[in-house]
Amino acid sequence: EAQVTQNPRYLITVTGKKLTVTCSQNMNHEYMSWYRQDPGLGLRQIYYSMNVEVTDKGDVPEGYKVSRKEKRNFPLILESPSPNQTSLYFCASSLLGRAEKLFFGSGTQLSVL
Amino acid sequence: RKEVEQDPGPFNVPEGATVAFNCTYSNSASQSFFWYRQDCRKEPKLLMSVYSSGNEDGRFTAQLNRASQYISLLIRDSKLSDSATYLCVVNVVGTDKLIFGTGTRLQVFP
Repeated sequence: EAQVTQNPRYLITVTGKKLTVTCSQNMNHEYMSWYRQDPGLGLRQIYYSMNVEVTDKGDVPEGYKVSRKEKRNFPLILESPSPNQTSLYFCASSLLGRAEKLFFGSGTQLSVL
Repeated sequence: RKEVEQDPGPFNVPEGATVAFNCTYSNSASQSFFWYRQDCRKEPKLLMSVYSSGNEDGRFTAQLNRASQYISLLIRDSKLSDSATYLCVVNVVGTDKLIFGTGTRLQVFP
């Protein structure tokens, strides 16, 4: 089954403790992206990647890191999480980077205490 | 001014009603337009693309008005299962950037 898999689904952590949210897609998509969703602000792009070893900042990249060493994986790293990073995170992928073909993971609810 | 604006709602309508949402965008260079549906705290899913000539998919009709810089979504014969948040998404020409609206919430009641 074609899908984008995100893990974990829920995560509670404390300020400053490094964490990684994994994202994997099995559709051989070139484009992958991370979003965060907050009430009243909608989905905001954190980072995206057009291909292996190519990553670019989105609208809200501060406090996040990503890597794209393999086509299928695009982990999101929070080196030193802070409470303002408490949010619902979505990974998405598409063949050509267009919203028309965006496939989303099921989301990760992160709480930073 | 936000790049993409939507009325957050909620729009509360009875089953069988027709309801319409608008989404305005500020960048006239916007090229591609889409409607996504999102159920409560779940992943967004593509509902339909919006073409210059308008397009229809069953009970759903999407239209684009470039002169006034807005897109619309019309839902006819609303079903309980249509209850969700509808996200407007815009892509600006020459960029990889996708801009999401904050969504319009629809609640269909029996």
